[in-house]
Amino acid sequence: DGGITQSPKYLFRKEGQNVTLSCEQNLNHDAMYWYRQDPGQGLRLIYYSQIVNDFQKGDIAEGYSVSREKKESFPLTVTSAQKNPTAFYLCASRLGPANTGELFFGEGSRLTVL
Amino acid sequence: GQQLNQSPQSMFIQEGEDVSMNCTSSSIFNTWLWYKQDPGEGPVLLIALYKAGELTSNGRLTAQFGITRKDSFLNISASIPSDVGIYFCAGQRYDTDKLIFGTGTRLQVFP
Repeated sequence: DGGITQSPKYLFRKEGQNVTLSCEQNLNHDAMYWYRQDPGQGLRLIYYSQIVNDFQKGDIAEGYSVSREKKESFPLTVTSAQKNPTAFYLCASRLGPANTGELFFGEGSRLTVL
Repeated sequence: GQQLNQSPQSMFIQEGEDVSMNCTSSSIFNTWLWYKQDPGEGPVLLIALYKAGELTSNGRLTAQFGITRKDSFLNISASIPSDVGIYFCAGQRYDTDKLIFGTGTRLQVFP
């Protein structure tokens, strides 16, 4: 089945550690996105990529990094520089042209910093 | 970053009642999307709107793209317990490749 797979579903980390969240899609979509969701808030854009080997900062990129070496994969690293990393992280993809707005989401990864 | 004004923030209704929620923006959008999110899951697309005035249905759900292009509405008729969740609107301006999300409407349905 086509879809977006995020892993792990749940992740715990100690303060000061970097952690990488995986996002893989087999939809042949060009664009991929990472969002952060906090309780009672909407989705805030961290990073996005419209094409392989290219990505742009979203609204809250500080303390995060990404790579897009393959079309199918867009991993997100939460670095120790992120001051409040505990959140629900959502990966999404879109078929392409920039003005086609239908995003498809993965099931999310919940990160808890102990 | 910009977020859309979505209301109400939460709703507590009885099974069988109809539900209405809306999103407003200070900017003109060329796309409006409505998503539903179950607890601990990713949002699922319900309805996509691409034209001002457009009215689109998906089962018991109906959404409209406002004529001013600055708002959108979602109605759920005859609510059932599985309608429980958070409903998000999302909009996109013609001059950007990013979606802007509303803050969500949390819906609770009581039997």
